Parts: sequence; C-alpha cells; structure tokens
Amino acid sequence: NAGVTQTPKFRVLKTGQSMTLLCAQDMNHEYMYWYRQDPGMGLRLIHYSVGEGTTAKGEVPDGYNVSRLKKQNFLLGLESAAPSQTSVYFCASSYGADPYYEQYFGPGTRLTVT
Amino acid sequence: AQSVSQHNHHVILSEAASLELGCNYSYGGTVNLFWYVQYPGQHLQLLLKYFSGDPLVKGIKGFEAEFIKSKFSFNLRKPSVQWSDTAEYFCAVLLYNQGGKLIFGQGTELSVKP
Repeated sequence: NAGVTQTPKFRVLKTGQSMTLLCAQDMNHEYMYWYRQDPGMGLRLIHYSVGEGTTAKGEVPDGYNVSRLKKQNFLLGLESAAPSQTSVYFCASSYGADPYYEQYFGPGTRLTVT
Repeated sequence: AQSVSQHNHHVILSEAASLELGCNYSYGGTVNLFWYVQYPGQHLQLLLKYFSGDPLVKGIKGFEAEFIKSKFSFNLRKPSVQWSDTAEYFCAVLLYNQGGKLIFGQGTELSVKP
C-alpha cells in the first residue's frame, strides 16, 4: 500500500514549456486535491475532484488544468509555465468531504520555472 | 471569505520548553479544524483534528489543541518540546460543503534547539 505518490519529484522548466504532474493513490479514495505551497502562504487549493470524471476549481486555478480519467489518478497540467508557478505541489486524497475522513498527502513535487 | 490566520511565523524554543501556536479562523459554518505537521523534506501529516464534542483534542506525539468557539481559535500546545518537533505546523479549516477542501493558515516554523 503506497498511499499517495507523485511524479516527478523535481522538475525545472523554462518559461512557456508545458508539463503534467501525476498523482496516484491506491486507497480507493473518491476525492483528490492539488495544492501548491509557497513560503509564508501555507497551502492553497488549485483544483479538486469528487470522483472519476469530475473536476472543480479551487482558490488558485488560473494557469492550470486537471483531469481525472481514472479514479486512482489525478493529473495537473501546466500548458505554458510561468515563473509565478515555481512552487512545491502537493496532491492529497480522501474517502470523502466528511471531517471523519483524513486527507492523505503525497511527498510533493518541487517545480522551478526559469 | 473563509480564512485561517497563524500569528507566529517562526518560533524558536529550547528543548523542554512549552509550546503554544496560535490559530484563528474566519468561517460562518460548522467548524472542522485540523493541525498538520510537515517535518523537513517530508509531506504533511495529520497531528489532530476537531469536529465535535470535547473542545480539548489530543493528538499524536503529545500534542493537544483547544477549540474556543467564542474566540474563533484553535491553538496548538505541547508541554515540553523535543528537538524532533522541529517542523512547520499548519492549521486548517475544512469546508465540508465545498468538496471537503482545506483552507490552510500561513504556517508556523518551529525550531527547537537541543
């Protein structure tokens, strides 16, 4: 049981390049989330999904797209990377929105855009 | 808008000192509150959570937090810190009716000197 995994762990992009971050969970969770972590700002929600085939915007969705084609995977895409997207990205998953259910976080992806 | 505020950005303590980290929230609905910890180079882990009942909540590793509704606060405490408690601590509120997303505070970095 690997929990929540993220690939890649590190990436450096040039401005304008595109990439996809992959989040995978093996806990059969319905809900998945993408957050970004920036110094002094905590974690902010980018997009989330409440089930396979569904996605919704979070606090800071601009410049990102997501897809949830399979229940276990949640992809975060950057179509044209900008230096402002330099951040650490965390994926999380849970059984549901109920507070009884803990959100489990992945190890993070450190992205630098030059 | 919902928000979480952590007053202390960086706290430095000696081992065996007592710890209290402040957290205030702004949210009009039913409150579900969490404290997460992020050890250096690791992902977020749940320390404790409050969603109903006894306002004094005990978590892992000797941490506890008290929910004071009248003060909109959920402060984290530990009677005697150890060097291994060096980490960043995040307070968060759960928006149950918005897909279960978490709104995080800015984080408090705790450094414990041996």
